[in-house]
Amino acid sequence: AQSVAQPEDQVNVAEGNPLTVKCTYSVSGNPYLFWYVQYPNRGLQFLLKYITGDNLVKGSYGFEAEFNKSQTSFHLKKPSALVSDSALYFCAVRDDGGNNRLAFGKGNQVVVIP
Amino acid sequence: EAGVAQSPRYKIIEKRQSVAFWCNPISGHATLYWYQQILGQGPKLLIQFQNNGVVDDSQLPKDRFSAERLKGVDSTLKIQPAKLEDSAVYLCASSPPGLAGTNEQFFGPGTRLTVL
Repeated sequence: AQSVAQPEDQVNVAEGNPLTVKCTYSVSGNPYLFWYVQYPNRGLQFLLKYITGDNLVKGSYGFEAEFNKSQTSFHLKKPSALVSDSALYFCAVRDDGGNNRLAFGKGNQVVVIP
Repeated sequence: EAGVAQSPRYKIIEKRQSVAFWCNPISGHATLYWYQQILGQGPKLLIQFQNNGVVDDSQLPKDRFSAERLKGVDSTLKIQPAKLEDSAVYLCASSPPGLAGTNEQFFGPGTRLTVL
């Protein structure tokens, strides 16, 4: 079954510094990969996705992610973090084969320090 | 465009009681999902509908949970009877028609259930 690992519980970064949130995945077929962000008391919001094509994917709010097949990773990045980026970030994967279920990681709390 | 609507936002019940959650997806979205998000974990899919039909309910505890999507629009998730471990946020999401599995999901604000 497909699965996602987000190894860090919390990522602390100073405002203006680069932000990276790590994600590795496991699927039997080809992956469809997604990043979502969750602000307090709100539902998840879509940031970006990788389906096929260019390994570097650009998304909302200046975020991007790079698909690395050999390392089975899909790390989320932002060149310059803002205080407003403080939130919970979820990586998710879906197999392109028979099982269409989206599997989420446990999430990473990002804290941007002013 | 209106988002996914859910109600109630908060619910507190005692164990062994029953509870129901309601979801209204984005207009035109054929696929509807119910997720359970326990504190400190990512969302876990409970059930997925494609129009009226169930696509995946393999992770739904069918002895106590049930869900329906009448007329392929609104959906209701019910728990009867509730257990302490059902305390969680219940998220509803919908996605537009398209190549299966490639479209992003749009989430509602969730219902926070506390079982005492």
